[in-house]
Amino acid sequence: AQKITQTQPGMFVQEKEAVTLDCTYDTSDPSYGLFWYKQPSSGEMIFLIYQGSYDQQNATEGRYSLNFQKARKSANLVISASQLGDSAMYFCAMRGSGGNEKLTFGTGTRLTIIP
Amino acid sequence: DAGVIQSPRHEVTEMGQEVTLRCKPISGHNSLFWYRQTMMRGLELLIYFNNNVPIDDSGMPEDRFSAKMPNASFSTLKIQPSEPRDSAVYFCASSGVFDQETQYFGPGTRLLVL
Repeated sequence: AQKITQTQPGMFVQEKEAVTLDCTYDTSDPSYGLFWYKQPSSGEMIFLIYQGSYDQQNATEGRYSLNFQKARKSANLVISASQLGDSAMYFCAMRGSGGNEKLTFGTGTRLTIIP
Repeated sequence: DAGVIQSPRHEVTEMGQEVTLRCKPISGHNSLFWYRQTMMRGLELLIYFNNNVPIDDSGMPEDRFSAKMPNASFSTLKIQPSEPRDSAVYFCASSGVFDQETQYFGPGTRLLVL
């Protein structure tokens, strides 16, 4: 069984500062994928970034980067130079191997950017 | 390009009524997913299809829920009869052959069963 743990229910960060959202995972699958999604107050789920378990380098997408530490089973999201529009819920998710494409989600972290 | 399209966006119904949620995946995508989001249970997969065939329906709560995918561009999730505990946001997502790693979500249907 797969499990995603997000231990920060809420975070407050000053605008323009960097922020790290924590995510740890547990799986017995030999290969897997890790995702981060953003859910603003309007409710849609926006894909941010993906990391494959065999990828040698940490994924980056603009201001988003994923700090992947396989031995520690962590996949933290780093947002650089935070903006007011970054205020939202952030979900970490995992997809296992074996042909099952199902995503398992964490409970989310509510990020609030303070001007 | 159009993203995943869901309808209706909001649905209010009374207990016992039938509810049908609709989804049009991104053109060319071959996998379609139905998720439900509630405060108590978070985001959970209900069912997913690959090439119109149901692959994993282990998350479907009970016989009151059914899902179909008659063709590559359309899927429905039906609740009959609906109950207040079915109130939630229902998301449809799709992923493609050449981008199987990423699921793209629709805007969701917010369902309230009174």
